[in-house]
Amino acid sequence: AQSVAQPEDQVNVAEGNPLTVKCTYSVSGNPYLFWYVQYPNRGLQFLLKYITGDNLVKGSYGFEAEFNKSQTSFHLKKPSALVSDSALYFCAVFSNRDDKIIFGKGTRLHILP
Amino acid sequence: GAGVSQSPSNKVTEKGKDVELRCDPISGHTALYWYRQSLGQGLEFLIYFQGNSAPDKSGLPSDRFSAERTGGSVSTLTIQRTQQEDSAVYLCASSLSSLAGATDTQYFGPGTRLTVL
Repeated sequence: AQSVAQPEDQVNVAEGNPLTVKCTYSVSGNPYLFWYVQYPNRGLQFLLKYITGDNLVKGSYGFEAEFNKSQTSFHLKKPSALVSDSALYFCAVFSNRDDKIIFGKGTRLHILP
Repeated sequence: GAGVSQSPSNKVTEKGKDVELRCDPISGHTALYWYRQSLGQGLEFLIYFQGNSAPDKSGLPSDRFSAERTGGSVSTLTIQRTQQEDSAVYLCASSLSSLAGATDTQYFGPGTRLTVL
């Protein structure tokens, strides 16, 4: 069955430090992977996606994610965190075999000044 | 251009009443999705439309939930005989094409917060 896991409910990072938000997935067929962000009192916004090609995907606001097929992971990263990055982050996976998109439970990122 | 809009932004209703939630997608987007976000939970996929048809209704939690889309644009999600467990934020998203092209980015509306007393 198709699934996506975000093992951390919350991640705390000091401003200026690198951040990682973890995501692992399970699909039948080739995965299409997405990261979305939800800022307080706002709707979800698209950050980046992996469809095919380079395993390292660059997205909005300086974020990037690396597709690792052997580890079935798609961790979100940023070299230097900003306080304004504090938000709720969702990983999502779609499989064209299952024809459905599944979202993780979300990880709340706190960037400490 | 305008993004996805949803109305109302907040809805408080009594248990047993029917509610109707509205979504206006981005103009030209043929695919439209409904999700539910409950407290402490991730996004739960409910239904998606390609044009006016809904190829996948499997995410609807019960037969009290229904959705329609007319003119390939506005969609309404109707919950009949609401229950307290229906309380959640209901999010709508649209994309250029259907899940057959699921690589298309989904653009989300601000959501409707439903509270069932």
